[in-house]
Amino acid sequence: SQTIHQWPATLVQPVGSPLSLECTVEGTSNPNLYWYRQAAGRGLQLLFYSVGIGQISSEVPQNLSASRPQDRQFILSSKKLLLSDSGFYLCAWSPLRDSGYTFGSGTRLTVV
Amino acid sequence: TQLLEQSPQFLSIQEGENLTVYCNSSSVFSSLQWYRQEPGEGPVLLVTVVTGGEVKKLKRLTFQFGDARKDSSLHITAAQPGDTGLYLCAGHGQNFVFGPGTRLSVLP
Repeated sequence: SQTIHQWPATLVQPVGSPLSLECTVEGTSNPNLYWYRQAAGRGLQLLFYSVGIGQISSEVPQNLSASRPQDRQFILSSKKLLLSDSGFYLCAWSPLRDSGYTFGSGTRLTVV
Repeated sequence: TQLLEQSPQFLSIQEGENLTVYCNSSSVFSSLQWYRQEPGEGPVLLVTVVTGGEVKKLKRLTFQFGDARKDSSLHITAAQPGDTGLYLCAGHGQNFVFGPGTRLSVLP
């Protein structure tokens, strides 16, 4: 069966520090991968999606970036965090673009 | 840009009561999904509806897709504390968008 792993679960980082969140999927090949951010208790904002290795589409201009170095690995990064980057970050995968998503357990990022 | 609205925003009910939450848009969607999210966790897919007028049942949950494929409803019969969570709808149209969610609290 397919599983998705996302870590760390929580992270507290100072303003201006770098960020790296990692997501891996097991049990499937060539998944569509997504990074979402969720404001407190609210809906989801799509940040990046990828349909293949090295293929990244950005939905929202910001100081975040994403990379897909391997088929089942998706990384969210920042060189310098802002206070406004705080939030709940979710990785997800789907077999087809915009079919049903399977989400990771999320990373709670607090920038202080 | 296609948008999804959900109502109510918050709902607090007693165990055993019935409830309905709504997902609405002015746009047509080819499919619509419902997710439930518990605090500190990722959303979990409950159902996908693709045909206008379609009704799907998942135990005590009944999902309906509007005839015009612009809206959907989720009805829960005899709610239980385990139903507590954030219910999100998501639609596949020109883009794939999530609604803001309905936060449901079922009190024992």
